[in-house]
Amino acid sequence: QVPLQESGPGLVKPSETLSLICTVSGGSINNFYWSWIRQPPGKGLQWIGYIYPTGSALYTPSLKSRVTISADTSKNQVSLKLSSVTAADTAVYYCARLPYVSAYFDFWGQGSLVTVSS
Amino acid sequence: DIQMTQSPSSLSASVGDRVTITCRASQYISTYLNWYQQKPGKAPKLLIFAASNLQVGVPSWFSGSGSGTEFTLTISSLQPEDFATYYCQQSYTFPPTFGGGTKVDFK
Repeated sequence: QVPLQESGPGLVKPSETLSLICTVSGGSINNFYWSWIRQPPGKGLQWIGYIYPTGSALYTPSLKSRVTISADTSKNQVSLKLSSVTAADTAVYYCARLPYVSAYFDFWGQGSLVTVSS
Repeated sequence: DIQMTQSPSSLSASVGDRVTITCRASQYISTYLNWYQQKPGKAPKLLIFAASNLQVGVPSWFSGSGSGTEFTLTISSLQPEDFATYYCQQSYTFPPTFGGGTKVDFK
């Protein structure tokens, strides 16, 4: 098992920036890809992007202009920032591990519900 | 983006039933197809990767098959803990995409 824990504000105002952190326990974040995936209430899963800690990040085209994923290897953390949020960004946000690019998501965090509302 | 279509979107079944869920890709994805199980309020859990490989710890009554554009998840004998929503996901091309899910509930 690779415990992943998402943390961050549960409520964000429209037009502001959503910020979440995924803390990885039980091993270094190096040598794996780390992804963010979200799930609006009652809906399916949407991949947001991923990062390789010693490389660059890649984002889904529909969110690319608003998303930044970064990694802090000293803290074993991966972060997500999503700017200019609207109600459509309300979702449970998961971090997940990929053993390599073009792979499966083998370990997931428990998820963090973020509601966008004034 | 590659579109993943699951069928049915929901089904009702009883303990002991054989359950089959289909996932179709809008274009060729070889065997880059993964299956996840999600229970209410929980994160998805990887069941099968690369179309037919059982993840460590997943019961043997789960199996996957298929290649190209059509794939199947089979539960050979449904157990009480298997009532959940199942998602397929392609990892063949960027961006990775998920199917819409199949909810398996009690008949």
